[in-house]
Amino acid sequence: EAEVAQSPRYKITEKSQAVAFWCDPISGHATLYWYRQILGQGPELLVQFQDESVVDDSQLPKDRFSAERLKGVDSTLKIQPAELGDSAMYLCASSLQGTTITYEQYFGPGTRLTVT
Amino acid sequence: GQSLEQPSEVTAVEGAIVQINCTYQTSGFYGLSWYQQHDGGAPTFLSYNALDGLEETGRFSSFLSRSDSYGYLLLQELQMKDSASYFCAVNPGNTPLVFGKGTRLSVIA
Repeated sequence: EAEVAQSPRYKITEKSQAVAFWCDPISGHATLYWYRQILGQGPELLVQFQDESVVDDSQLPKDRFSAERLKGVDSTLKIQPAELGDSAMYLCASSLQGTTITYEQYFGPGTRLTVT
Repeated sequence: GQSLEQPSEVTAVEGAIVQINCTYQTSGFYGLSWYQQHDGGAPTFLSYNALDGLEETGRFSSFLSRSDSYGYLLLQELQMKDSASYFCAVNPGNTPLVFGKGTRLSVIA
């Protein structure tokens, strides 16, 4: 069964350092999402891509976060510099294109980030 | 804006039935989804309701009342493996999916 791949699974970094996460969505899924999930909370959208274009990045802290999906397939999320409050699970998800289909998203295993 | 309300915790006995409620306030509404997430795991899709009524998938059922802005997830014949967090999520249509804060279900023997 096709799955969303993410790496690394765990990352520990010191504040002010740069960190990057990678995601490879399910083949054929045009829409890719990056979420941040704080323990005990629901996932919060950071950025949504449709192919290589950003559809929504209204909740992305653009002064320190950046995301790209250059060829419309895999994607990278970067934080520079990392802050203590960035400690969270970063989830990538993908879905088939289309508004009525986006309710069913497939999530990767996530990257657990700890900033010290 | 969008807001969703669901209980933070629910405890139920193995073999019993449990209902997890979700109320929402959104500027647009296409439907309500439910996701399950085990500790340390990724959210997995359970069900989706676009129309009023009950949708059944095995031991899990989901209900929606658009006029009441209300839905619930019903889990029957509870098993220990059902212990997890359950999230309702609204599809506003013109904006991305919005997740609730989740309900932590504990199944006890």
